[in-house]
Amino acid sequence: GAVVSQHPSRVICKSGTSVKIECRSLDFQATTMFWYRQFPKKSLMLMATSNEGSKATYEQGVEKDKFLINHASLTLSTLTVTSAHPEDSSFYICSASGWGLAGGSQTSTDTQYFGPGTRLTVL
Amino acid sequence: TQLLEQSPQFLSIQEGENLTVYCNSSSVFSSLQWYRQEPGEGPVLLVTVVTGGEVKKLKRLTFQFGDARKDSSLHITAAQPGDTGLYLCAGELGRGSEKLVFGKGTKLTVNP
Repeated sequence: GAVVSQHPSRVICKSGTSVKIECRSLDFQATTMFWYRQFPKKSLMLMATSNEGSKATYEQGVEKDKFLINHASLTLSTLTVTSAHPEDSSFYICSASGWGLAGGSQTSTDTQYFGPGTRLTVL
Repeated sequence: TQLLEQSPQFLSIQEGENLTVYCNSSSVFSSLQWYRQEPGEGPVLLVTVVTGGEVKKLKRLTFQFGDARKDSSLHITAAQPGDTGLYLCAGELGRGSEKLVFGKGTKLTVNP
């Protein structure tokens, strides 16, 4: 299957600082990327959807000025948590869908391939 | 309001037992996916079901999509400790929308 990577896997930062998380599709063209947030023992909550070259669409209740999303290329999207606070501590997961030949098989535009997640801890 | 209700939330069984996890909704989905997630990792896709009544098998795992495309089940036969993990169902509301709605997950523990 298609591979999606995230960096960093873990980050600890001080309150008030900004943190950038990268999401990369390694072997296919990601026309759409999604950012999720997962609290302990909870399910994934979609934060925003981004299409390459256009502004992200945020879900209701998600502050677009706090969670800046950039999808500048077909293989990279970034999520920047600005002025992070302890309540922003969470597990952030990206996913990507698109097209191309990955892992020996054709990827489907309808399938989301998930990254391994980034654990953010704000002190 | 949870769009996708998943049950049970927790399940602890002995190796060799069978189990079924359910995913129910009042909404119709164009497709439904099942994922497995390990602690500290992202979800890994197990299967996608698209057609009402569809049944897919993946070794000891059997997935079924309800006729009305509102519910789904995951049945595991002769569970093994390696099956331990968080199982998530996720539904796509509109064809081509790509947005997924996730259930809360079922935490499965298979004891040796």
